[in-house]
Amino acid sequence: QVQLVQSGAEVKKPGASVKVSCKASGYTFINYYMHWVRQAPGQGLEWMGWINPNSGGANYVQKFQDRVTMTTDTSINTAYMELSRLRSDDTAVYYCARDDTALEDWGQGTLVTVSS
Amino acid sequence: DIQLTQSPSFLSASVGDRVTITCRASRGISSYLAWYQQKPGKAPKLLIYAASTLQYGVPSRFSGSGSGTEFTLTISSLQPEDLATYYCQQLNSYPITFGQGTRLEIK
Repeated sequence: QVQLVQSGAEVKKPGASVKVSCKASGYTFINYYMHWVRQAPGQGLEWMGWINPNSGGANYVQKFQDRVTMTTDTSINTAYMELSRLRSDDTAVYYCARDDTALEDWGQGTLVTVSS
Repeated sequence: DIQLTQSPSFLSASVGDRVTITCRASRGISSYLAWYQQKPGKAPKLLIYAASTLQYGVPSRFSGSGSGTEFTLTISSLQPEDLATYYCQQLNSYPITFGQGTRLEIK
């Protein structure tokens, strides 16, 4: 069965960067785009972008364009989302999700807390 | 960007009730709409894609309909385990966007 296992919770200071990992299993990693979605405390879902593991090409939401980098390591079936110049309003749970018919499979989420 | 507006934002219903949630798009998105269920503290779960196709393993009491700008998610007979927040999502154009969510409470 498909599994997406994300890295653990992070606490960062404003201005720092965070890199969240998402290890995939149970399917052919390079055949499906990986999306990243975040959810601030008590708020709704916000799509951040996707990466194509086969080509490395990515598509980011404009608001994150200059701060986010999505990458993959196909040798270990892992996707990464790095967000730089963190602010307090980046405090959120970050999810990876596999794109098939829609966002069919999700990681368990990674809480990133930005606090001085 | 395409805006998705869900109504209602909050819904309280009893076990066995028929429940309907509406999602309106700011412009036409054909049938590129999905519905997700998110239980407290958990990741979202895909219920319906392509507006009306039930995801494998999802109970048949869930159904979706609509195309263009207006869509509905219906639960034919509400069960206690359906306590959750429901989100619609459009995949017609970038950026992908979500509705603001409908929180469903069981009376």
